[in-house]
Amino acid sequence: NAGVMQNPRHLVRRRGQEARLRCSPMKGHSHVYWYRQLPEEGLKFMVYLQKENIIDESGMPKERFSAEFPKEGPSILRIQQVVRGDSAAYFCASSESGRGRETQYFGPGTRLLVL
Amino acid sequence: AQSVTQPDIHITVSEGASLELRCNYSYGATPYLFWYVQSPGQGLQLLLKYFSGDTLVQGIKGFEAEFKRSQSSFNLRKPSVHWSDAAEYFCAVGDTGGFKTIFGAGTRLFVKA
Repeated sequence: NAGVMQNPRHLVRRRGQEARLRCSPMKGHSHVYWYRQLPEEGLKFMVYLQKENIIDESGMPKERFSAEFPKEGPSILRIQQVVRGDSAAYFCASSESGRGRETQYFGPGTRLLVL
Repeated sequence: AQSVTQPDIHITVSEGASLELRCNYSYGATPYLFWYVQSPGQGLQLLLKYFSGDTLVQGIKGFEAEFKRSQSSFNLRKPSVHWSDAAEYFCAVGDTGGFKTIFGAGTRLFVKA
């Protein structure tokens, strides 16, 4: 059973470009979470999605960031007009249900570098 | 609001020595508590979790943690550290009413020979 998959593992963008990060949850999981990890910091919750629904996006910056989890295909975290401050590791996690006690399984992350 | 504090940014222990990583949380009720480990360049791996019941929780790789309600703590321990344990360790609290998981800032463990 494959784990959570994220691609690309590393992404380099110039300021003003768009970054698209993909996450395929574990088989059988329909709940996806995105986190951002800035250098020397812990993970910060960004958004929680179920298939075709955004459940909680309270951790998402108000502008330039968006997320989706379509009926078919991976979850996408999109960052428009990237700035240097967006440089971070972005982790996706998935779970079988959305309850707080449910274990979240993490992907290897996408390291975004904005030049 | 929920929060997690890991007071130690870095800890260095000798191989074979015992280890304790501290974690304090702030939450209105009994929380769900987790410890994760992150090796360099990797994602997070769950070591153990506490929901209810026995306050001493056993995890993988020989780790254990003890929930102490009176101290709002969930410290991680290992009796004998191996060089392969060098990594960053994150304590986290889950929202019993929902789904959010709040992470501490992490403790980086160095193991010396």
